[in-house]
Order: sequence, then C-alpha cells, then structure tokens
Amino acid sequence: ILNVEQSPQSLHVQEGDSTNFTCSFPSSNFYALHWYRWETAKSPEALFVMTLNGDEKKKGRISATLNTKEGYSYLYIKGSQPEDSATYLCASSSGTYKYIFGTGTRLKVLA
Amino acid sequence: GAGVSQSPRYKVAKRGQDVALRCDPISGHVSLFWYQQALGQGPEFLTYFQNEAQLDKSGLPSDRFFAERPEGSVSTLKIQRTQQEDSAVYLCASSSTPPGGFTDTQYFGPGTRLTVL
Repeated sequence: ILNVEQSPQSLHVQEGDSTNFTCSFPSSNFYALHWYRWETAKSPEALFVMTLNGDEKKKGRISATLNTKEGYSYLYIKGSQPEDSATYLCASSSGTYKYIFGTGTRLKVLA
Repeated sequence: GAGVSQSPRYKVAKRGQDVALRCDPISGHVSLFWYQQALGQGPEFLTYFQNEAQLDKSGLPSDRFFAERPEGSVSTLKIQRTQQEDSAVYLCASSSTPPGGFTDTQYFGPGTRLTVL
C-alpha cells in the first residue's frame, strides 16, 4: 500500500447499530496514525493518535485499534446515534509533520 | 479555549482574481500547516511554518500560491490569478509541537471553501 485508503467510502446505518470502518496505510516508516471526525460546517475534531502496534484507544462509544505490521486501523462505533453522522478521516504520519490523509468514510446514522 | 479559526468561510472568485485566506491558530502554537482538499479527495499538505519560518512549501501546487506568517501567529495563504482547478477547501491546522515532537496532534480550523468560476 502506497497511499492511505479508507473503506467504505460511505455508510448508512440505523440508530442503535454498531459499525466499523477501515483505514489502510503504508506499514514501512510508520510513525503515527490519527483519526478525526469532521461534521459538516465544523472543524475536524481529533479523536485519537495511535503509535504502537496493538494500541487500542477508546472515547465514549468510539474505539480504535492499530496494527502497524499489516498497516491497518479499525474505528468502531457502538450503538450509533444521529449525532455520530460525520466524515471520519484517518491520517498517517511517517516520521514527519506531513499528514497523509485518506479520503474519509461518510457515516449517516438514520433515526 | 478558542480553536483554530479561518476566514472567510466561503469565497467565490472569478478566474484570474487574487484571493487571500486567513488562519488564526490556537494561541501559543508553534507549528502551522495548510492543506488543500479537492472534491472527493482527502486533505493534501501544502506548507508548514514553525513560528514565522516557512520550513516546507513542497506541497504548494504552483508559484501562484504563496503563504506567510510574519509574526509567528496569524497566517495568510494567497492565491494569485486563480484558476478553476484551485477550487477546493483550504484547511489550516496548528500544533504545539516542539521540534521533533511529530506525534503531537494537529488541530484544524473549519476551512475556507474556495470556488473559482
């Protein structure tokens, strides 16, 4: 993998469903993986920064895992709520300040 | 406290016009970044400042793009003779990163959506 890739591109779930998305990144020269939530007309909000293989971070109903050996991270949302509707971006930094972003997963939670 | 702010939030320009986009970073943040997000793409790095010094401008797409941060706080991204391909969301981010601390989080503003007609 040469670029940061996210899947799926978009997702619709019902309120109360749990969901997850994937971020794939180059495993060579890995330094850190960042997750952001970006709601329409607002600033991207930092969710997690992850550096160690096997890392698992949690913030309320949202959690993330990291596998640096195979180059992927999963973001999980438990019991989705309408306010979780947003674009979720991941970015990899390979030992520099330059974030390499994926194209995002657009989540819509239906009430 | 106050986050990163950007102005204007929306800008429509006619092709050939010059535009200036402003970024107010979080107070005291040393590092400032500009990114460009074209439609359907992820944000892409444009340039990086550490205080008033522009240390990296490798992502600026052409010499029509110019950024400055003269006093090490507010930054302006200027685009001269705008073209339709310049239409994008321009994001600014700041970080308290000291030199070498590159796992520090970048905090983003809401972006300026530029449309060139």
